[in-house]
Amino acid sequence: EAGVAQSPRYKIIEKRQSVAFWCNPISGHATLYWYQQILGQGPKLLIQFQNNGVVDDSQLPKDRFSAERLKGVDSTLKIQPAKLEDSAVYLCASSLNSGGGTDTQYFGPGTRLTVL
Amino acid sequence: AQRVTQPEKLLSVFKGAPVELKCNYSYSGSPELFWYVQYSRQRLQLLLRHISRESIKGFTADLNKGETSFHLKKPFAQEEDSAMYYCALSSGDKLTFGTGTRLAVRP
Repeated sequence: EAGVAQSPRYKIIEKRQSVAFWCNPISGHATLYWYQQILGQGPKLLIQFQNNGVVDDSQLPKDRFSAERLKGVDSTLKIQPAKLEDSAVYLCASSLNSGGGTDTQYFGPGTRLTVL
Repeated sequence: AQRVTQPEKLLSVFKGAPVELKCNYSYSGSPELFWYVQYSRQRLQLLLRHISRESIKGFTADLNKGETSFHLKKPFAQEEDSAMYYCALSSGDKLTFGTGTRLAVRP
């Protein structure tokens, strides 16, 4: 089966600019996650969707970050305006959500964002 | 709050030597623990989960609730084991990751 797709793979912007990332999960996966991974750290959950509803966005900096999954499939994550500390790899993951315990999360290749 | 600690940033061993990647956690509930691995130029992927109690690629990990640990072990390291390893704890579907340990296996 095709894996989680993300684009772009790399992005360089200047601070105060806007940027958007796109994610296409594995077909049939109900749950979609966005993680931020700063260099030298583990991935940190930003937001979790189940179908097109938000399950957890407690760690999303809502003053500048937004995310949507309008049709319960693809998702976009936006940063506006970007700050230097937003430089990181943004990972998208999806899971089946079969309802029986914690499902395996499948990760995309990530988008490496550099803010200058 | 849940927390995962991986005390070693880098672990370097010779091929054939035993490997132990340390992971400690703090969590008030009943934990579900995982090890994820990222090989060079590949995606982050699940290596094993404690509830499966299985060995993957020769790796095993036992959950020790008394010591709040979930160390990853392999008796004989191979060069292809060189990668970044992340320990993670689940509460519901939410994963909390440690900072990762880079394993370097030298020939």
